[in-house]
Amino acid sequence: QVQLQQSGPGLVKPSQTLSLTCTISGDSVSSTGAGWNWIRQSPSGGLEWLGRTFYRSRWYNEYALSVQSRITITPDTSKNQFSLQLNSVTPDDTAVYYCLRDIDWEHWGQGTQVTVAS
Amino acid sequence: QTVVTQEPSLTVSPGGTVTLTCASSTGAVTSGYHSSWFQQKPGQAPRALIYDTNNKHSWTPARFSGSLLGGKAALTLSGVHPEDEADYYCLLYSAGGWVFGGGTKLTVL
Repeated sequence: QVQLQQSGPGLVKPSQTLSLTCTISGDSVSSTGAGWNWIRQSPSGGLEWLGRTFYRSRWYNEYALSVQSRITITPDTSKNQFSLQLNSVTPDDTAVYYCLRDIDWEHWGQGTQVTVAS
Repeated sequence: QTVVTQEPSLTVSPGGTVTLTCASSTGAVTSGYHSSWFQQKPGQAPRALIYDTNNKHSWTPARFSGSLLGGKAALTLSGVHPEDEADYYCLLYSAGGWVFGGGTKLTVL
């Protein structure tokens, strides 16, 4: 059974870096059939896809244009994890962040409320 | 980047049928967009109902179906139940990334 477990701080200061990690059990971050994604949901309610990492003979990343200059998603095969880093955060980055697998969008992390405030 | 457009709100009567649509700014939505649909009720996380155009999860009620209709992705609810009142989001794969629509608020009245 696939499970995703998120970890990371819930409070980040403006201009600093938001860092979250998603630990996978029951599947592999190196699985050639899956993509490992981060999305967020702002207080206004809409869902926003941020980016993903996936392995197809080599590693690929895809990022939303809205955050492309500030985001890095990194796989860690030794720990079977993938991580999100979002630089130079502002209060607009306040949201609930989720990690999820995109084969069928069935498996989600538990969500992390991240607040950007001083 | 691709803009994905959904109806902001729809209203349907219990027992009725309603179709939610999902359009892409890049043109007609095809199977290559791998459209998916998510339902979100107040206070809950979103949950996938349909993936890859028309595939259902084990928890997806039979009254929900996904399709391509008139160049758009579509989610049809046939025989709507009051508990189907929720926000529905579509998701498309386009131009090197996934893009969510703005969501449709479905009211059952």
